[in-house]
Amino acid sequence: ELKVEQNPLFLSMQEGKNYTIYCNYSTTSDRLYWYRQDPGKSLESLFVLLSNGAVKQEGRLMASLDTKARLSTLHITAAVHDLSATYFCALRIQGAQKLVFGQGTRLTINP
Amino acid sequence: DARVTQTPRHKVTEMGQEVTMRCQPILGHNTVFWYRQTMMQGLELLAYFRNRAPLDDSGMPKDRFSAEMPDATLATLKIQPSEPRDSAVYFCASGLVRGQGSREQYFGPGTRLTVT
Repeated sequence: ELKVEQNPLFLSMQEGKNYTIYCNYSTTSDRLYWYRQDPGKSLESLFVLLSNGAVKQEGRLMASLDTKARLSTLHITAAVHDLSATYFCALRIQGAQKLVFGQGTRLTINP
Repeated sequence: DARVTQTPRHKVTEMGQEVTMRCQPILGHNTVFWYRQTMMQGLELLAYFRNRAPLDDSGMPKDRFSAEMPDATLATLKIQPSEPRDSAVYFCASGLVRGQGSREQYFGPGTRLTVT
């Protein structure tokens, strides 16, 4: 059974600090996604990582993928309050279109 | 600004009633997904369609849930009869699959269902 596990599930941090969210998965995949969800809102696509060693950056967020370790990371640099949200990683099952989501990491950034 | 739309946005109903949720995918997208989000289970895929044909509905309780795409611009998810445990946010997402698959899935705003 495919498992996608995020760590940590809850993260409270100060503005200006750096931190990393980890996403481990249990089987091979050809595509990994990161989404952001604000409270009561829908999911917003942040990154799509397609290959081993892929790194993508948007503003203070940077995502990377290590397919050999079955690990993706989402790094937050110099956090600001606007980044407070729940972040999900999701894995596309190879040969299918369906996504399997991690549990989500609820990030709170305090002024 | 192309978006996935869902109706209704909120629905409160009594146990035993029928509930129908509707989704309009982004024009030109050929794949539609239905997800359910709860605090306990997180985000779960219920069903998905490609070119209006159901490809996988293994995540859906077959005895009470049904999903259809009457045409390319409308997907429906129906629950009959509804139960309190069906209370959740139901998201529709759409994507464009070419060759190796879609790059992204675009999510609608969701339908928040409460069954009392």
